[in-house]
Amino acid sequence: DSGVTQTPKHLITATGQRVTLRCSPRSGDLSVYWYQQSLDQGLQFLIQYYNGEERAKGNILERFSAQQFPDLHSELNLSSLELGDSALYFCASSVGLAAYYEQYFGPGTRLTVT
Amino acid sequence: SQELEQSPQSLIVQEGKNLTINCTSSKTLYGLYWYKQKYGEGLIFLMMLQKGGEEKSHEKITAKLDEKKQQSSLHITASQPSHAGIYLCGADWANTGNQFYFGTGTSLTVIP
Repeated sequence: DSGVTQTPKHLITATGQRVTLRCSPRSGDLSVYWYQQSLDQGLQFLIQYYNGEERAKGNILERFSAQQFPDLHSELNLSSLELGDSALYFCASSVGLAAYYEQYFGPGTRLTVT
Repeated sequence: SQELEQSPQSLIVQEGKNLTINCTSSKTLYGLYWYKQKYGEGLIFLMMLQKGGEEKSHEKITAKLDEKKQQSSLHITASQPSHAGIYLCGADWANTGNQFYFGTGTSLTVIP
């Protein structure tokens, strides 16, 4: 158990809908990363927050947004969902800002868009 | 990311055999990280390499970093079924801020 929790575990929704994925980092970790994993794209970095602020952005679509709250939990919002958004979404947390801090991954949220 | 290539893509070995997985970066590395993922689950950190020539071991897994070649190898000695899973290398590249990239992954099957 990494100490990172993600909810829900599974999500099935229709195209055009909006969903919110939630992540609670390990106690004491200030940094949260979001990743998308699909068969064709592999594991893609989406965005990083550190202590409430966005600090790095990767291949995140404009339809996706994220935020980190004062209690350090984070939410990833996906809107106008398309079939291609079906994937496993992971969050990871680390103690520091820099990439060299070990990242602890949550179990993931499996999103299926029908 | 195709800028972080892993080989082979998949590997099937008999229990007890040694094996090597490679990860090659097209960009200058600040750090190279190895993670293991069991199918459908989250990633587990194995080790981090930051200096050229650095070598680290964790149980029967050894990783080395060749800075000149921008390449890392992960070697498993006397493989066991518990080693099965997907191995991913991750990179922290120079001049990309805090962005983090993962390789294409190597799927390892160990036959008892």
